[in-house]
Amino acid sequence: DTAVSQTPKYLVTQMGNDKSIKCEQNLGHDTMYWYKQDSKKFLKIMFSYNNKELIINETVPNRFSPKSPDKAHLNLHINSLELGDSAVYFCASSQESALNTEAFFGQGTRLTVV
Amino acid sequence: KQEVTQIPAALSVPEGENLVLNCSFTDSAIYNLQWFRQDPGKGLTSLLLIQSSQREQTSGRLNASLDKSSGRSTLYIAASQPGDSATYLCAAPGQAGTALIFGKGTTLSVSS
Repeated sequence: DTAVSQTPKYLVTQMGNDKSIKCEQNLGHDTMYWYKQDSKKFLKIMFSYNNKELIINETVPNRFSPKSPDKAHLNLHINSLELGDSAVYFCASSQESALNTEAFFGQGTRLTVV
Repeated sequence: KQEVTQIPAALSVPEGENLVLNCSFTDSAIYNLQWFRQDPGKGLTSLLLIQSSQREQTSGRLNASLDKSSGRSTLYIAASQPGDSATYLCAAPGQAGTALIFGKGTTLSVSS
């Protein structure tokens, strides 16, 4: 069983479109995250949710809106996609915050904006 | 603000060598540090989690150490194999431990 699963794995779309990436974890964790990995492979935190509540919102354009319908799901919706949004987006989860528990990552969603 | 640095950025070794990957962090008030492996085009696989109360953590040929006072961690890989070729990422909790902050990784290539 996949612990943290993301869909889709690949997403190619045109500039200006709106798209969503879904994430689900079956580990019973309370905290979920979205990370962005840029073309230089650097991973940067975007959002963190704990029990469906937003904990972290880094300097991310407000075109990006996370939604957590329950603590097992954290979806990422992106409006008005731009070329610079092309990256690999990773979802992750941990039992509590990153303070003292191990984090598990999904396989990533490669977003290409053309 | 937590910053994580990894050196070297890339490393090429022949099969069988023992090697050390370095990670440094600026905020030593951490409760743990985690090492990951990332294969090209793949997700992150957790290798080792070291709690601040531990000095070392071992898994097979991997050994990670943590020295909070100096803000350093090392990942030791014994008897390297071509299958170890990947990017190794170090991550430490950021402000208030709310999320992991990553280094830029060390890309390892082991030749047979």
